[in-house]
Formats: sequence, C-alpha cells, structure tokens
Amino acid sequence: DVVMTQTPVSLSVSLGGQVSISCRSSQSLVHNNGNTYLSWYLQKPGQSPQLLIYKVSNRFSGISDRFSGSGSGTDFTLKISRVEPDDLGVYYCGQGTQYPRTFGGGTKLELK
Amino acid sequence: EVQLVESGGGLVQPGRSMKLSCAASGFTFSNYGMAWVRQAPTKGLEWVATISYDGSSTYYRDSVKGRFTISRDNAKSTLYLQMNSLRSEDTATYYCTREGAALAYWGQGTLVTVSS
Repeated sequence: DVVMTQTPVSLSVSLGGQVSISCRSSQSLVHNNGNTYLSWYLQKPGQSPQLLIYKVSNRFSGISDRFSGSGSGTDFTLKISRVEPDDLGVYYCGQGTQYPRTFGGGTKLELK
Repeated sequence: EVQLVESGGGLVQPGRSMKLSCAASGFTFSNYGMAWVRQAPTKGLEWVATISYDGSSTYYRDSVKGRFTISRDNAKSTLYLQMNSLRSEDTATYYCTREGAALAYWGQGTLVTVSS
C-alpha cells in the first residue's frame, strides 16, 4: 500500500498569513497513463470533506486561487495564501493512482 | 447540483449485518465510478471500496474483503454497501463519494456504530 505522510500535524496561522502543508508518498504517484493522482481535501468542523485540488495542481470548481498545489513523484505541497477564517479545519492529501486509495493523516489548521 | 445522500446507518451488534444506501442526483450516475470512504470517530479518512461505472469491477481494502460488498443500481441512481460480520473497528461515519480524477463529491455521511 502507498503510505501518505503529511507534515506538520497541526499548524497555527494568523488571518491573512500564508501556510504550506507537505505530503510525501512511499511510492511514486505517477500512473501508467502519465497522470499523477494526488489530491487535497479540506474537512471543516462538523462537515464532510471537500475537494480542493486534484492531479497535483488543478483547483476544483469554485476553489479560490489562494489555494495552490505543486510537486511531483513522491513529494507534494499545498500552499494557502491570505488565510481566511473559512479555511480552518483539517487538510488531507490523498492518492488515487493505485488501490487501495490512501490518505495522509491530516493537518489541522488553527488560528494563532 | 450534485447530491449524494447516504442512509441506513445506526447501531448494530458485533457480528450482525447492515446495508447502507446512497441516493445520487444532479449527474449521470451511470457514467461514474463510485466509492465509500469512512472515518472513525476523531480519526482520519479511510477508503473502503470502489465500484466501476457499470458495476463490472470492484475494489476493497483488505480489512473488509469478504465481509463488505459494494454494488449499484444505475436505474435507481443508487449505490450500496452491504456490510456483514461487523466488528467494533468498523464503527465510523461512512461517506459516499463520486470517483474520477479525485473524490470530487461527498455525501453528508451516515454513522455506523458497532457495539453490544
């Protein structure tokens, strides 16, 4: 199974600040078809997860350009700029390149 | 608007069975693979199973193989998860999700509690 390791586990940020979350996979996430199925999700308190970024760097419909994804192979990063109150919650990376699908352990974003 | 609405959760004794349903709307259900993802209380996300758009292929995590069955009824735009021989470690909120390049849409979840 592909192990997804997220760091840090928690992050404190001031409103308007910028943060980065790292996600590393135990194997390359490049699929045989050339795509890299690495996604980022946000789970706000009491809500279901929502998709932010797919295939490393593509923002999902309606997602602010304050969210950006980057990386390749086994090393990926989510950056959030100009943090707003609605950005708080737990962020997960997830891979869809191979089964079983796996997720990182989550990064909790809190206000400083 | 894409909507996924799960139902069927509740309290069940260890060793018993339960069937979850997910009613889909707002998209052509028969065009998409679907998946179940669960989240134990205060824990992270855990993929459970995926079914292809036409039901011809299914995939399961090892811990549920032989106990859980994912299925679908494209005429009813409904996804199912039959869970047998339930264990305490299956206690979680179960989310129905739409497969694709990512898990783009999620239901509100249904809580399954396995306890005597």
